[in-house]
Amino acid sequence: QVQLVESGGGVVQPGGSLRLSCAASGFTFSSYGMHWVRQAPGKGLEWVAFIPYDGSDEYYADSVKGRFTISRDNSENTLYLQVNGLRAEDTALYYCAKDRRSRGWFFDCWGQGILVTVSS
Amino acid sequence: SYVLTQPPSVTVAPGQTARITCGGNTIGSKRVHWYQQKPGQAPLLVVYDNSDRPSGIPERFSGSNSENTATLTISRVEGGDEADYYCQVWDSRSDHFVVFGGGTKLTVL
Repeated sequence: QVQLVESGGGVVQPGGSLRLSCAASGFTFSSYGMHWVRQAPGKGLEWVAFIPYDGSDEYYADSVKGRFTISRDNSENTLYLQVNGLRAEDTALYYCAKDRRSRGWFFDCWGQGILVTVSS
Repeated sequence: SYVLTQPPSVTVAPGQTARITCGGNTIGSKRVHWYQQKPGQAPLLVVYDNSDRPSGIPERFSGSNSENTATLTISRVEGGDEADYYCQVWDSRSDHFVVFGGGTKLTVL
């Protein structure tokens, strides 16, 4: 079955960096767009970034543009999110999510999430 | 940017019908998707493209979309349906290409 497993989260000081990873299995990873979506504690869902199936482009929410970078390695079935310049408001559970289509812009499978805490 | 408005909470008795609305400017021209999120769990897609259901989602879950309001309808509500529900659209002109509603907490009495 489809499985997405995030890793790489943790506690980081303001201005710090992390690299989040999402290992995918159970589907043809190279055929689907992939997203990162985050959820601050007790809050709603916020879309963060999208990368098409072939990694040919990248899309970001304005709130993270210039600080976060999404990428993928189709040979390793892995999605990444490099997060730099972290702020307190970036504290959230970060979900990796599979697009239903190549560019459907909605999500039919989610990982369990990885927590990023920005605190001094 | 595009805004989706959901009621913070909806309460329904078991066996009754729950309707959760999602308001947006001319949302009827967009494809609306709905997610269920139970405490401590990742979201689950329950309706996509306004009214389609992924495999494994009960027929009790249905959706509609017209003019300025999309609606998720849950028939014959069960205790296990208690969760937060989020609507979502794609809007290329928004500062977030993907827009979520604020979420609705469904409480089953």
